[in-house]
Amino acid sequence: AQKVTQAQTEISVVEKEDVTLDCVYETRDTTYYLFWYKQPPSGELVFLIRRNSFDEQNEISGRYSWNFQKSTSSFNFTITASQVVDSAVYFCALSENRGSTLGRLYFGRGTQLTVWP
Amino acid sequence: DVKVTQSSRYLVKRTGEKVFLECVQDMDHENMFWYRQDPGLGLRLIYFSYDVKMKEKGDIPEGYSVSREKKERFSLILESASTNQTSMYLCASSLGPSGGRHRDTQYFGPGTRLTVL
Repeated sequence: AQKVTQAQTEISVVEKEDVTLDCVYETRDTTYYLFWYKQPPSGELVFLIRRNSFDEQNEISGRYSWNFQKSTSSFNFTITASQVVDSAVYFCALSENRGSTLGRLYFGRGTQLTVWP
Repeated sequence: DVKVTQSSRYLVKRTGEKVFLECVQDMDHENMFWYRQDPGLGLRLIYFSYDVKMKEKGDIPEGYSVSREKKERFSLILESASTNQTSMYLCASSLGPSGGRHRDTQYFGPGTRLTVL
């Protein structure tokens, strides 16, 4: 069965520090997708990135970068030069591959990131 | 633009009441999901639906039911609310099979914080 582990429950950093959020997953599927979502204090989960299992290229978007390593079943998220606005709960998720249907996601328990000024 | 709306941001009900939580999406998505979020437990899937009048149990369906009479609307029903159902409820939708490689990306509503007294 699919499982996502975010071992870091809470992380605190000071502004401008770099921070990496860890995500480790388990699946028997050969085709799957990995996701990161951000949940700011307002409560709404915001989609950040989707990665498919065949694409191990790292991705960079501004201050955000993602490192996908199939060999270690990890999909880590790094924020460079963190800012107070990055304070949020971040969730990693894994899709279920059941052919063309359903597509439920399995979420980790989330990491609360607090960035202090 | 992606839009998922939920009927209330905050709701207070009494034990034993029947509670309806409504979710509407305007993106013609096939899949819709209901989660509850509790501190330390992350997101837990209650029910989901991949078509009108179709539903599937998630991980914690007990005490809940759902209704999907129209494609854009997915309702979560608490038949007889109890205090242990006090939680944040999040609705999400995704394209489904017609979405190709984007089919599994879920978009979330703002959430309903339900308190049962």
